[in-house]
Amino acid sequence: AQSVTQPDIHITVSEGASLELRCNYSYGATPYLFWYVQSPGQGLQLLLKYFSGDTLVQGIKGFEAEFKRSQSSFNLRKPSVHWSDAAEYFCAVGSSGTYKYIFGTGTRLKVLA
Amino acid sequence: ETGVTQSPTHLIKTRGQQVTLRCSSQSGHNTVSWYQQALGQGPQFIFQYYREEENGRGNFPPRFSGLQFPNYSSELNVNALELDDSALYLCASSQRAGARNTIYFGEGSWLTVV
Repeated sequence: AQSVTQPDIHITVSEGASLELRCNYSYGATPYLFWYVQSPGQGLQLLLKYFSGDTLVQGIKGFEAEFKRSQSSFNLRKPSVHWSDAAEYFCAVGSSGTYKYIFGTGTRLKVLA
Repeated sequence: ETGVTQSPTHLIKTRGQQVTLRCSSQSGHNTVSWYQQALGQGPQFIFQYYREEENGRGNFPPRFSGLQFPNYSSELNVNALELDDSALYLCASSQRAGARNTIYFGEGSWLTVV
């Protein structure tokens, strides 16, 4: 069965520190991978996406993610976190021939001043 | 701003009632998907509409139904509301059906069932 796992429910980092949010997927076909961010009470904003090609993907707000097929992972990174990055982050996966995304349960990021 | 608009933003209904949520897709997008996001959870796929036809459905009962109109706007209808239907309902649009077409979400409609 297709699934997405975000092992960390909560992460707290200090402002200016680096960040890595983990995402692992289980998918039979070549996956399409996405990271979305959701601020409290808001909808989801697309940060970045991977379909094929270069496994290191750049997104908005200084985020990047790396697709590692051997580890079935698509971890999100940012070299220096800003207080405004505090939000919930969702990893999602889709694939060719499907019409839906499967989302992880999210990682809530707290940023300390 | 994704250009996807949803209404209403918040509503409260009583168990057993019916509700209709509305969504206007981004200009140029002909596909609308609906997701349910319960508190503390990730979004769960309800169904997708492509050119006014249901294109796929998740594990939701038939009392969840939808429509897509010629202008590609969409409605989600839920009958016989249950307490567990309390959630954020997200509409997303894309240029075409299929997972390779990135979906863009609206701000959502918060439904509380009491």
